[in-house]
Amino acid sequence: EAGVTQFPSHSVIEKGQTVTLRCDPISGHDNLYWYRRVMGKEIKFLLHFVKESKQDESGMPNNRFLAERTGGTYSTLKVQPAELEDSGVYFCASSQEGGYTEAFFGQGTRLTVV
Amino acid sequence: AQSVTQLGSHVSVSEGALVLLRCNYSSSVPPYLFWYVQYPNQGLQLLLKYTTGATLVKGINGFEAEFKKSETSFHLTKPSAHMSDAAEYFCAVNAGGTSYGKLTFGQGTILTVHP
Repeated sequence: EAGVTQFPSHSVIEKGQTVTLRCDPISGHDNLYWYRRVMGKEIKFLLHFVKESKQDESGMPNNRFLAERTGGTYSTLKVQPAELEDSGVYFCASSQEGGYTEAFFGQGTRLTVV
Repeated sequence: AQSVTQLGSHVSVSEGALVLLRCNYSSSVPPYLFWYVQYPNQGLQLLLKYTTGATLVKGINGFEAEFKKSETSFHLTKPSAHMSDAAEYFCAVNAGGTSYGKLTFGQGTILTVHP
């Protein structure tokens, strides 16, 4: 069974540009989470989807970030326009619906804004 | 609100020595606690978790952790370090969501194992 897959693994963009990160969860997992780790800091929760609905987006830093999960399968996280402070590693995780189940993490996307 | 503090951003041990990675948490509700490991160029992998019941939890690769409510701690130990244990370790607490996935993480501890 394939794990959580994230694309791209690395992205370097200029300030002001747009970047879209993609996450493919484990098949059948209704819960999908986005996290971010800024260099030197802890991993922080961004948002949580249950199927295609945003359950909790309390961690989204500002309106330059837009997450979608059309059809309840893969998810995208768009940053527009990117700022220097957006640099970091973006992790995606997924888990099954129903009660307390383990969250499986992807390898992350390392975003560098220059 | 929950928070997690990992004491020591870097820990270095010799192969065969005891590994002790410290984690303290704060939580307004009974916590679910986790340790994750990240090997180079890989994603986060769950080592072990505490939810309810036995306070000494055993995980993969010989690691274990003990939940101590009175000390608000969840330290990770392994009796004998192996070179393959070199990685970054994260302690996390469930942030009160409806599944394990919404977590509050500590800052991570990089474990180095010397021959």
